[in-house]
Amino acid sequence: GENVEQHPSTLSVQEGDSAVIKCTYSDSASNYFPWYKQELGKGPQLIIDIRSNVGEKKDQRIAVTLNKTAKHFSLHITETQPEDSAVYFCAASRYNAGNMLTFGGGTRLMVKP
Amino acid sequence: SQTIHQWPATLVQPVGSPLSLECTVEGTSNPNLYWYRQAAGRGLQLLFYSIGIDQISSEVPQNLSASRPQDRQFILSSKKLLLSDSGFYLCAWSPINRGNTEAFFGQGTRLTVV
Repeated sequence: GENVEQHPSTLSVQEGDSAVIKCTYSDSASNYFPWYKQELGKGPQLIIDIRSNVGEKKDQRIAVTLNKTAKHFSLHITETQPEDSAVYFCAASRYNAGNMLTFGGGTRLMVKP
Repeated sequence: SQTIHQWPATLVQPVGSPLSLECTVEGTSNPNLYWYRQAAGRGLQLLFYSIGIDQISSEVPQNLSASRPQDRQFILSSKKLLLSDSGFYLCAWSPINRGNTEAFFGQGTRLTVV
């Protein structure tokens, strides 16, 4: 089955700096890669996703890149703000797998004002 | 619009007691439904998923079971809780027959077994 590794497990940045979180996956058939943000005591919420026919996607201050050859994808947050502090999860799934997402272990991002 | 409701938000139960967590989805039909568990400081572990009424698959053998008595209702149960069952339980849904797409999560239930 699919295995998703996520690094780093914790990340501390100064407000205004950029943050990068990286994930690798094992199943070359995976073709959907969402990123979730989880605030304390709440359920995860989708912030951006990318499909394997796209190499990069951007939405305001967040962007995701995908390298299918190397089987890794990354989340980039620019101009970080204190409200970006949360746990971020990457995930992967493939089309014929019943829409089941395999999640990475999560990254706790702390943005210091 | 679609909404997912999960309750209770918090629960403290003694070891050996039964468990029932309920999740309902509104605004959609025939959703895929999922139960995840998140241990403290850890990632999301898929426990059960369901593609239809009474069609449930277990991903991890354990002390828990799931049922789907109605199309948009998903229940997580245990006959006798263990200390190791403590964690944050999340219900999620995704649209059926749309290939792979995002899952929408409920707000979670924090279960503490004492």
